Amino acid sequence: GAVVSQHPSWVICKSGTSVKIECRSLDFQATTMFWYRQFPKQSLMLMATSNEGSKATYEQGVEKDKFLINHASLTLSTLTVTSAHPEDSSFYICSSTLGHRNTEAFFGQGTRLTVV
Amino acid sequence: QKEVEQDPGPLSVPEGAIVSLNCTYSNSAFQYFMWYRQYSRKGPELLMYTYSSGNKEDGRFTAQVDKSSKYISLFIRDSQPSDSATYLCAAGLNKLVFGAGTILRVKS
Repeated sequence: GAVVSQHPSWVICKSGTSVKIECRSLDFQATTMFWYRQFPKQSLMLMATSNEGSKATYEQGVEKDKFLINHASLTLSTLTVTSAHPEDSSFYICSSTLGHRNTEAFFGQGTRLTVV
Repeated sequence: QKEVEQDPGPLSVPEGAIVSLNCTYSNSAFQYFMWYRQYSRKGPELLMYTYSSGNKEDGRFTAQVDKSSKYISLFIRDSQPSDSATYLCAAGLNKLVFGAGTILRVKS
């Protein structure tokens, strides 16, 4: 399967600061990447769809000014959590597919964000 | 009603048992069905991928999709302690919708 690498795997930050999470496709070009959020013992919730060279598409209820997504190249998408607060603490996971549809998605390792 | 329903478990079985994991979905337009395995604090790993109805087998794993009843199943034969993980079902057409995940514990 395709390899998606996510960095960092965990991060602790102070309330009010911003944190950037990187998602890279290592062996294929990813036109589209997806960002998910997962709370303990809960399912993956799609936050946004990141499209190379254009604006991200956010799901209902997700603040686009708080969760900034940049997809500047075919192999890299970044998610920046701005002015982080303790309630933003969660497991963030990116994924990509080999086509335009979000099917047969391959996931990164995830990033555990803790805001103190 | 959630679009994809999955019993969170936990499901505890002895080593060697046959495991049956199930999900139901509500959107009849869904065409793609997946099963992912997720270990603690790791990203999900794709196990099985099925398009439309039918069965798919890969080693000890068998995925079944019954579109008439909107039912998705994953069977694990000869379960091993290393199979202990959370199993997520997912369904969709252009975007995947995930179930809550079932925690599986295989006891040696």
